[in-house]
Amino acid sequence: DTAVSQTPKYLVTQMGNDKSIKCEQNLGHDTMYWYKQDSKKFLKIMFSYNNKELIINETVPNRFSPKSPDKAHLNLHINSLELGDSAVYFCASSQVEKGYEQYFGPGTRLTVT
Amino acid sequence: GENVEQHPSTLSVQEGDSAVIKCTYSDSASNYFPWYKQELGKGPQLIIDIRSNVGEKKDQRIAVTLNKTAKHFSLHITETQPEDSAVYFCAASITNRGSTLGRLHFGRGTQLTVWP
Repeated sequence: DTAVSQTPKYLVTQMGNDKSIKCEQNLGHDTMYWYKQDSKKFLKIMFSYNNKELIINETVPNRFSPKSPDKAHLNLHINSLELGDSAVYFCASSQVEKGYEQYFGPGTRLTVT
Repeated sequence: GENVEQHPSTLSVQEGDSAVIKCTYSDSASNYFPWYKQELGKGPQLIIDIRSNVGEKKDQRIAVTLNKTAKHFSLHITETQPEDSAVYFCAASITNRGSTLGRLHFGRGTQLTVWP
C-alpha cells in the first residue's frame, strides 16, 4: 500500500549520460513535487505540478526536465549528467485543497561517476 | 523570500529526557509550519504541523508551539526513546498565495540521537 513510490531506489551512472526517475502516488492528490537533498541533508524544492500544470520551477539547470503524464505520475529526466547532480531525489505529493500536508516517497540516490 | 533557520544542528539526549528543536522564519505571511522526521535511508515523514491561527498543538509525546510575533516555532519531544533518533526538519509555507502553491521552505535539519 505504498502511497508515494519512486523507481529506481539507486541509480549509478557516468557523467554525460541521460537518466530518468519515475514517481507515482496512489493518494489521489492533485499536486506533486521533486526535491533534491544534498550531502548535507538540505532539502530544496525543484519543481511542482498541480493538475499536470507546472507551478514551481526553481532555478534548476534546464538539463532537468519534469514530465507529468497524469495527476498520479511525475517523472524527472536528467540530461548530460554531471558529478554535482549526485544527491538523493525525493518525490512528494499533496492535496492542496485539503491542507498542505506533503507526503514523500522513499527517495532515489543518484550517484554520478 | 522565506528563510528558515533551525537550531541546533545536532542534539544528543538520554532516553527519557526531553528534546527541543527551534526554528525561526523571516516571512510574516507564512501560515503553515510542518515538522518532518527522516530516518536513515528513508523519505521525510510528516509528524506534526501547526497553522498560524493556533499557538500550540500536541500529539502524544510530541508538541509544537508557534510564536507569530517573534516568528519562531519549536518542536518538543518528551520521554524520548531510541527510536526517536533521526533527522528532524522544520518547514514554513504560505498557503494562501497562489504563486507559491505548496512551496515548503525547509530548515537545515537537526540530527537527534537518543542514547539508551
